[in-house]
Amino acid sequence: DAGITQSPRHKVTETGTPVTLRCHQTENHRYMYWYRQDPGHGLRLIHYSYGVKDTDKGEVSDGYSVSRSKTEDFLLTLESATSSQTSVYFCAISALFLQDFWSEQFFGPGTRLTVL
Amino acid sequence: GQQLNQSPQSMFIQEGEDVSMNCTSSSIFNTWLWYKQDPGEGPVLLIALYKAGELTSNGRLTAQFGITRKDSFLNISASIPSDVGIYFCAGHALPLDDKIIFGKGTRLHILP
Repeated sequence: DAGITQSPRHKVTETGTPVTLRCHQTENHRYMYWYRQDPGHGLRLIHYSYGVKDTDKGEVSDGYSVSRSKTEDFLLTLESATSSQTSVYFCAISALFLQDFWSEQFFGPGTRLTVL
Repeated sequence: GQQLNQSPQSMFIQEGEDVSMNCTSSSIFNTWLWYKQDPGEGPVLLIALYKAGELTSNGRLTAQFGITRKDSFLNISASIPSDVGIYFCAGHALPLDDKIIFGKGTRLHILP
């Protein structure tokens, strides 16, 4: 199994509070991703990182920010949590494989976030 | 944004039956990936395909990268109870970028 951990695994918080989720990898992969998974929507990309301090937005980035100060850690922050951000959040990693191909993405175990 | 059409959305089968699911896209893909997700877990990679026409097996699972590069299928032979879960197709579309596009999943149920 790819060495990816997420913390916390479960969190309940109140609307308006800040929340930070952590993804940690031991694979030294360059790329890291944050997804949210909701019924009927599958996996949707929030933000991703292609290197230390290099990040970009995904399709559902509003209300989220990310930071990557070290190769192994990728943080997802909800500055002011809303009920619509109740979801399961997955981190994923991948490495550049060959010049024209990308390696597979490997997923962490997920964080279940409930915003009351 | 780009989307993958994955079908069927759900399947109810008897144990021992074979299963087939597929994904189609309007864009050309250079990589097709198939994942399985168990309840409460993250998706786990089953098979990765990198060449058009490629047919790859992993135990009872077989997946193919369509010749047109716009589709892929996954077959599961002789299903067993632990095959229950959600199966996702995913891939890298051309022109190349560093994001993967996911289908919405096929939920497999096995009837007792």
